[in-house]
Amino acid sequence: AQSVTQLGSHVSVSEGALVLLRCNYSSSVPPYLFWYVQYPNQGLQLLLKYTTGATLVKGINGFEAEFKKSETSFHLTKPSAHMSDAAEYFCAVSEGGKGAQKLVFGQGTRLTINP
Amino acid sequence: EAGVAQSPRYKIIEKRQSVAFWCNPISGHATLYWYQQILGQGPKLLIQFQNNGVVDDSQLPKDRFSAERLKGVDSTLKIQPAKLEDSAVYLCASSTQAQANPGGEQYFGPGTRLTVT
Repeated sequence: AQSVTQLGSHVSVSEGALVLLRCNYSSSVPPYLFWYVQYPNQGLQLLLKYTTGATLVKGINGFEAEFKKSETSFHLTKPSAHMSDAAEYFCAVSEGGKGAQKLVFGQGTRLTINP
Repeated sequence: EAGVAQSPRYKIIEKRQSVAFWCNPISGHATLYWYQQILGQGPKLLIQFQNNGVVDDSQLPKDRFSAERLKGVDSTLKIQPAKLEDSAVYLCASSTQAQANPGGEQYFGPGTRLTVT
């Protein structure tokens, strides 16, 4: 069975500092990996995804993530945090190539930006 | 393009009562998902439809939860009778046909926040 572990339920950084949100997954087949962001009282919005090909993927709002198969990781980074980045972030995995496209989510990381 | 619509946005009921949630997916999206998001946790898939057929309902508590997607468009999720532990946000999402696009994006609605007292 697939699973996702997000290290740190809360991360706090200063405005302009590096953002690093950690995600490790387990999957018995090549995974598809996703990062979603959730602002208060809103649904989830896709930030970026890895399916195949280049392991460094770029997303919206300056975020990027690198798929590292040997480490079973898909950490999310942003070089310089902005106040508007404050939100809940979810890492998710699905079985690549399977038709059902079932997403399994991590428990989420709440990002706080300090002025 | 209109997004995924859900109603109501908020609902408060007493335990043992019944409740229903409605979802209208993005036009043309064949696949529809219902997720349960308990406070402090990530969303958990309850049921997935492909057109009007069920693809996966392995985590749906079928003794109290039911869902349907008549005509392959709108969907309703019902809880009867509700328990305290059903308090959560219920998210609906849709995507283009999953089998043809397994890495495709799921588009989420704003959710319905259910409080069971």
